[in-house]
Amino acid sequence: QVQLQESGPGLVKPSQTLSLTCTVSDDSVSSGGYYWSWIRQHPGKGLEWIGYIYYSEYTYYNPSLKSRVSISVDTSKNQFSLKLTSATAADTAVYYCARGTDYMVAYWGRGIMVTVSS
Amino acid sequence: EIVLTQSPGTLSLSPGERATLSCRASQSVGNNYLAWYQQKPGQAPRLLMYGVSRRATGIPDRFSGSGSGTDFTLTISRLEPEDFAVYYCQQYDSSPGLTFGGGTKVEIK
Repeated sequence: QVQLQESGPGLVKPSQTLSLTCTVSDDSVSSGGYYWSWIRQHPGKGLEWIGYIYYSEYTYYNPSLKSRVSISVDTSKNQFSLKLTSATAADTAVYYCARGTDYMVAYWGRGIMVTVSS
Repeated sequence: EIVLTQSPGTLSLSPGERATLSCRASQSVGNNYLAWYQQKPGQAPRLLMYGVSRRATGIPDRFSGSGSGTDFTLTISRLEPEDFAVYYCQQYDSSPGLTFGGGTKVEIK
């Protein structure tokens, strides 16, 4: 069964770019039919979908974050990545990478806590 | 944008009891694109149900989903100790994509 593991800095300074990577095992990020997502959860709060990439090149982002978000795939490393520009304290959250379809998420990574603070 | 409202916020029940969780959408959810997730403290969410009533792989049959249009329900027929957790519903719409409800916490009474 597919496994996903988030990695990246746990602390980001305000106004900098938050960058995370998800390493995928037992599946290929370039396999057709799956949507590779980023989802976040603010401390003690609910879930917020950030966006996904599919067929290695097509992306779809939450309109509320669209101006600051980009998701990309590195097929050589079997990874996909998240970049969120102009980070603020409001971006402090646990970030999950996940695999699913266009309408649901079946497999999740364990999550990584990212704090935006000077 | 479709907004999902879950109720109650907290459900206090004893093991063996039946749990009924509600998810109401501000507009009709198309194509039955409604899913449910379970999340325990410190863990990632786990997919329970998709397409309203389809159980995900490995989910026991004490979990069931129902509903259509704007009103959906997740039922746990007999609560096991491991079922005490937070439950989220989620829908898909062309814009803004996937959205989640605020969650229902099922706690031990």
